[in-house]
Order: sequence, then structure tokens, then C-alpha cells
Amino acid sequence: GDSVTQMEGPVTLSEEAFLTINCTYTATGYPSLFWYVQYPGEGLQLLLKATKADDKGSNKGFEATYRKETTSFHLEKGSVQVSDSAVYFCALSHRDDKIIFGKGTRLHILP
Amino acid sequence: DTAVSQTPKYLVTQMGNDKSIKCEQNLGHDTMYWYKQDSKKFLKIMFSYNNKELIINETVPNRFSPKSPDKAHLNLHINSLELGDSAVYFCASSQRGGTELFFGEGSRLTVL
Repeated sequence: GDSVTQMEGPVTLSEEAFLTINCTYTATGYPSLFWYVQYPGEGLQLLLKATKADDKGSNKGFEATYRKETTSFHLEKGSVQVSDSAVYFCALSHRDDKIIFGKGTRLHILP
Repeated sequence: DTAVSQTPKYLVTQMGNDKSIKCEQNLGHDTMYWYKQDSKKFLKIMFSYNNKELIINETVPNRFSPKSPDKAHLNLHINSLELGDSAVYFCASSQRGGTELFFGEGSRLTVL
């Protein structure tokens, strides 16, 4: 079945560092890919998405590119802030089907 | 206006009791979900309803019974609570399956 694998956390960085959180997937066909973010004490919210190969999703300085050849959707940000501290979830879905989440990666940003 | 709201936010109860969590969405979405998040933040889908009809039931004990009186509401009733039921339960909605999910703030259930 379909699955999502993302890097284990926690990831701890200093403010203004470059961030990469790796995500790879296993799926048939061409799923849509998502990154969700969960801030402390809140529900998940969509950060960005990509619906076809080579699409780049971007939001709030975060980017991820849908790479069909490597089945990856790595999340990147050039300069992180303390306010980016959260748990990040990679996810995939097929049309009219459930969304499958990775296990989440906790990110800590130190001032 | 809160898009997806769930109540209560916190529940603390004894083993063996029954409890309910309510969820309402005002986004006009057709599909609603219940997810369970454990202490390690792992998120697992429990149920999905589309326009009041159950479409996903993911090997959840039958002590858990969802009810959707209309497409804007999806409630979760849990009978005979066990220690392992302690978790944060999230309600979510989407326009249809596979599209962006909108989550509530979660209901933290603690079973003593």
C-alpha cells in the first residue's frame, strides 16, 4: 500500500540556518503531495502542496518540489525563525481517497 | 468564525466510562474525518464520512462509534474507555476525499 517516510526528529537548528526535512513516498500512479505543520497546542494546517511531477509548492518561505524520479518531496527553507518551531508532516493522497501521513518531524529552532 | 470546531478541548475520565466529542464545520465541506494522535505525534485516521455516509472505518474497536446527523457535524462516542484511548482526537473536513484537510484544534482525552 501507499506510504510516506520522513526523517526522524527532533531536528534542532539555530535561527537563520538552512532547513531540509526529507520525505519520500511509495505510491501507485501520481498522488498529490502535501506538507502540513502543527504548532504547539493546535491542529494541523496545510503548509504547501504539489499535485503533479516537477511542481513546486511554496508558502511562508518554505518550498518543496515533487520529484517523481526519486519519489521525494523534501521540505526546505533558507533561513528559519524561532516561530517555525513545530511538527511537520509529509502526506500524500489520491483523488477521492484518504490522505496518508508520515510520522511527523519535530523542529526546534534556537534563538 | 472557527472553521472546524470541536468540543470539549479537554476530557479527563476514569477507565470504563463513556464519553463523547462533538465536531462541527462551517466550510460547506462534504467530507469529515476523525484522527487519533498519540503521544509521539503519530496521526492515524479512524473514520471518514461523506455527506453523512460512512466511507472509511480503519480497524477501530467497536467501542468507538461515529455519528453524523448532517454533513456539517460528526460526533465521536467512546464506550468503556481504556488507558490506551488516551490521545488527542482531531476532527477534520475537506471538500472531498484527497483534497486539503482543515483540522480542528483537537480534544485531549486522558483516561485514568
